[in-house]
Amino acid sequence: SQTIHQWPATLVQPVGSPLSLECTVEGTSNPNLYWYRQAAGRGLQLLFYSVGIGQISSEVPQNLSASRPQDRQFILSSKKLLLSDSGFYLCAWSVTGPTFEAFFGQGTRLTVV
Amino acid sequence: SQQGEEDPQALSIQEGENATMNCSYKTSINNLQWYRQNSGRGLVHLILIRSNEREKHSGRLRVTLDTSKKSSSLLITASRAADTASYFCATDASGTYKYIFGTGTRLKVLA
Repeated sequence: SQTIHQWPATLVQPVGSPLSLECTVEGTSNPNLYWYRQAAGRGLQLLFYSVGIGQISSEVPQNLSASRPQDRQFILSSKKLLLSDSGFYLCAWSVTGPTFEAFFGQGTRLTVV
Repeated sequence: SQQGEEDPQALSIQEGENATMNCSYKTSINNLQWYRQNSGRGLVHLILIRSNEREKHSGRLRVTLDTSKKSSSLLITASRAADTASYFCATDASGTYKYIFGTGTRLKVLA
């Protein structure tokens, strides 16, 4: 069966420090991969999605970047964190097709101090 | 930009009552999905309805879709305290791989 791993669960980082959040998927090949951010009590904002290795689409210009070095690995990064980068970050995957559901990781709570 | 908007933003009901949440979206879609999120956790997929379907059931869940009005509703019957969570609709804009989520409805079921 397919599983998605996202870590760490919580992270406290100082302003100006770098960030690297990792997400891996098991049990499937060539998944679509997504990074979302959720502000407290709000909906999900799509940050990046990827349909293949090295293919990254950015939805919102910001202080973050994403990379997909392997088929089932998706990394969210920042060179210098801002206070406004605080939030709940969720990784998700789906298969390609006309009808598909997304499967989410458990999320990373990032607090920039 | 936000594709879906749920209403109400928050809903508080007694256990055993039915809960209805609505979602509106802006562009044509292939399908619409509903997800549930317990506080501080990831999202769990509840149900998917295709654009050519009008109604779908899954256990105590009933989803309707009106593509002419670009709206959907989620009905949870005989609610339980364990149904307390936030509920989100998500749409895939036709021709894209993107899931765009609404702002969510926070449901509280009182025992």
